[in-house]
Amino acid sequence: EDKVVQSPLSLVVHEGDTVTLNCSYEVTNFRSLLWYKQEKKAPTFLFMLTSSGIEKKSGRLSSILDKKELFSILNITATQTGDSAIYLCAVEAAGDKLIFGTGTRLQVFP
Amino acid sequence: GAVVSQHPSWVICKSGTSVKIECRSLDFQATTMFWYRQFPKQSLMLMATSNEGSKATYEQGVEKDKFLINHASLTLSTLTVTSAHPEDSSFYICSANPPAGRVAKNIQYFGAGTRLSVL
Repeated sequence: EDKVVQSPLSLVVHEGDTVTLNCSYEVTNFRSLLWYKQEKKAPTFLFMLTSSGIEKKSGRLSSILDKKELFSILNITATQTGDSAIYLCAVEAAGDKLIFGTGTRLQVFP
Repeated sequence: GAVVSQHPSWVICKSGTSVKIECRSLDFQATTMFWYRQFPKQSLMLMATSNEGSKATYEQGVEKDKFLINHASLTLSTLTVTSAHPEDSSFYICSANPPAGRVAKNIQYFGAGTRLSVL
């Protein structure tokens, strides 16, 4: 059965801290791995990763994929209160379907 | 990016009634849309894949007679929760993939979601 596991489930940090969110997967017909940020409503797209070892970066956020070990990490440096959200990892499988992990709830306090 | 609109954002209904939720791709055509359900503090669970002009594909355990999906056009999919019961109360979100070339292929863009509360 395909599955995506995220850790930790919850994380509480202070502004300025750096956090690392983990995502491991076991999915047949892997196509890509995606990270989304969900604040109150719709998840918003952050990164799509298809190749191992190539870091994707956007401001203070970065992510990398390891297809051999079947995991990805999402790093957020110099966290701000606006980074507080649920971060969802999803793996695209056959049929364009996304299989989501349980998410990591990040809370950043001033 | 691409814009997906979902309506209504919140609906309260009595047990036994049916509720229709609309998902529209505003600036692109989508032959495929996806419907998810999210319980509090849990992740998104794919319910079904909506296919324009043909029947939806339901995930295991999802009752197709309970959750009716109609993909009437290339920009609109609807989810109807029939004979709703309190256990159907949840957050329902749709998504769609813009066509290749518009954005990177196979990135799903999400609607804002519909919070359904069945009394």
